[in-house]
Amino acid sequence: GQQVMQIPQYQHVQEGEDFTTYCNSSTTLSNIQWYKQRPGGHPVFLIQLVKSGEVKKQKRLTFQFGEAKKNSSLHITATQTTDVGTYFCAGDTGTASKLTFGTGTRLQVTL
Amino acid sequence: EADIYQTPRYLVIGTGKKITLECSQTMGHDKMYWYQQDPGMELHLIHYSYGVNSTEKGDLSSESTVSRIRTEHFPLTLESARPSHTSQYLCASWDGPGYTFGSGTRLTVV
Repeated sequence: GQQVMQIPQYQHVQEGEDFTTYCNSSTTLSNIQWYKQRPGGHPVFLIQLVKSGEVKKQKRLTFQFGEAKKNSSLHITATQTTDVGTYFCAGDTGTASKLTFGTGTRLQVTL
Repeated sequence: EADIYQTPRYLVIGTGKKITLECSQTMGHDKMYWYQQDPGMELHLIHYSYGVNSTEKGDLSSESTVSRIRTEHFPLTLESARPSHTSQYLCASWDGPGYTFGSGTRLTVV
């Protein structure tokens, strides 16, 4: 079956440093989505990427979708303590909006 | 704020008990999902529904069952709970582009 892997599994940064998480799918995706889950919380939708090579920005967050539509990345510039949480990518192969979630990257930010 | 509600938020029960986890949404979405998530781990799809009287098993085998007799309601039932069922259960609905998740039910079976 489809597998979606993320690296790193965990990253600890000082506030103000940049952070990147990478997402790789074993199959070509129709779209990819990103979610953030705060400790003790539930996943919250951040963004969806659909086009090959697409880049989208949300303030300090930059999302990219690979040319082959099998990988993606999330980059956070100048992290803040409010960025703490686990970031999941989720791939949709187009089979009726059934998402396969990645393994997640847990981000810890300290002052 | 979230228009998808899960109850109970926390549940501790004994082995062998039957339980139903409730999930309701007020958005009129046809597509609903149940995911299972162990602490700090990824989400695994266990059930989904595309509308009333439509239910399918997900990628992760689960001993739970679901029903969808009303659009807004998608309960999950465990006939006989076991310690291996201890986990967080997240309900979600979809109407594009992303899922809306409920706050989850943290289940502990002792």
